[in-house]
Amino acid sequence: GDSVTQMEGPVTLSEEAFLTINCTYTATGYPSLFWYVQYPGEGLQLLLKATKADDKGSNKGFEATYRKETTSFHLEKGSVQVSDSAVYFCALSDPSGGYNKLIFGAGTRLAVHP
Amino acid sequence: GAVVSQHPSWVICKSGTSVKIECRSLDFQATTMFWYRQFPKQSLMLMATSNEGSKATYEQGVEKDKFLINHASLTLSTLTVTSAHPEDSSFYICSAQERKGGRGANTQYFGPGTRLTVL
Repeated sequence: GDSVTQMEGPVTLSEEAFLTINCTYTATGYPSLFWYVQYPGEGLQLLLKATKADDKGSNKGFEATYRKETTSFHLEKGSVQVSDSAVYFCALSDPSGGYNKLIFGAGTRLAVHP
Repeated sequence: GAVVSQHPSWVICKSGTSVKIECRSLDFQATTMFWYRQFPKQSLMLMATSNEGSKATYEQGVEKDKFLINHASLTLSTLTVTSAHPEDSSFYICSAQERKGGRGANTQYFGPGTRLTVL
């Protein structure tokens, strides 16, 4: 079945450092790919998405490119801030399943220090 | 943007009682809503998918009689945890999907979550 694999955390960075969180997926159809962010005690917020191969999603300085050849959707940010500290979830949605169920990775906790 | 609310944000109840959690899409119509459960420091586990006006589809291993889902309108879905026990304590998150049409265009928007503690 479909699955998402994320790099294990926690990831600890200093402010203004470069961020990469790896995400790879396995899917039988043509999924859409998402990154969600969860701040402590809150629900998930959609960070960015890409719906087809070679699409680049971007938001708030974060970027991710849908790479079909490597089945990857790595999240990057050039300069992180303390306020970026949160848990990041990579997810896929395969419309062939009917209701666009989201399948989540395990999540990667990011801690940014001043 | 699309906003989803949940009520209550937290609830503490005694073992054996039932708890109802509401999920509302505030500025869009949601033909499909999803209910997730999240344990501390873990990912989200899909419990069930509900479509307005029809019975919910439960994931394998989720007890239908334990977790009652009602999707009575295009903006409201409820999850009732019946005869709650301490092992039901968790963070419950709903999401709503706005159907805009086109492949890949259906994005889920998440509520802020409800923390349930069963004593």
